[in-house]
Amino acid sequence: DIQMTQSPSSLSASVGDRVTITCRASQSISSNLNWYQQKAGKAPKLLIYGASTLQSGVPSRFSGSGSGTDFTLTISSLQPEDFAIYYCQQTYSTPPTFGQGTKVEIK
Amino acid sequence: QLQLQESGPGLVKPSETLSLTCTVSGGPISSSGYYWGWIRQPPGKGLEWIGSIYYSGRTYYNPSLKSRVTLSVDTSKNQFSLKLRSVTAADTAVYYCARLKLLNFDYWGQGTLVTVSS
Repeated sequence: DIQMTQSPSSLSASVGDRVTITCRASQSISSNLNWYQQKAGKAPKLLIYGASTLQSGVPSRFSGSGSGTDFTLTISSLQPEDFAIYYCQQTYSTPPTFGQGTKVEIK
Repeated sequence: QLQLQESGPGLVKPSETLSLTCTVSGGPISSSGYYWGWIRQPPGKGLEWIGSIYYSGRTYYNPSLKSRVTLSVDTSKNQFSLKLRSVTAADTAVYYCARLKLLNFDYWGQGTLVTVSS
């Protein structure tokens, strides 16, 4: 299985901050990488697929980049509704695997 | 708007079989190109893919669970189902059903907590 490792595991930030989350794959996955947002008690929501394509309806302050083994999710200006846990997921091979999550908390 | 809803017992005894059903509304489960899958999340932990099924019945399973999992689909009811045998406390989790395009989970159910306990 391909292992996905996110960093940091958690971070504290203020509204308006620029936030970057990193995801590293244990082998090259080209651009086959998704990002999800999960709020407390809710199902994950697909934010970005194909490493950089925004899912319909997702605000443009979210962006993704990277290819190969290293990927980033950036929130350009953190909003109150963005406090959540973010997961990366590789779609390169079965089984699809997820990172352990990054919790974005209010500073 | 596509909606998915999980249903089934919230409490299962150790060594028994966990059975869940996902009812899809707002679109046919037989839509070409879409798989339907199950993902679980133990309390306070990360996400694990269990398996996926196409409306034709073709299945893919996570190798870590393959020996205990069976997925099935009922196109007449627009439902698909999960059976997980010989459960232990380690199978306690929120179970989500979801739609997949390729391996992108784009629609999710709200999730249902299943506790394994005697």
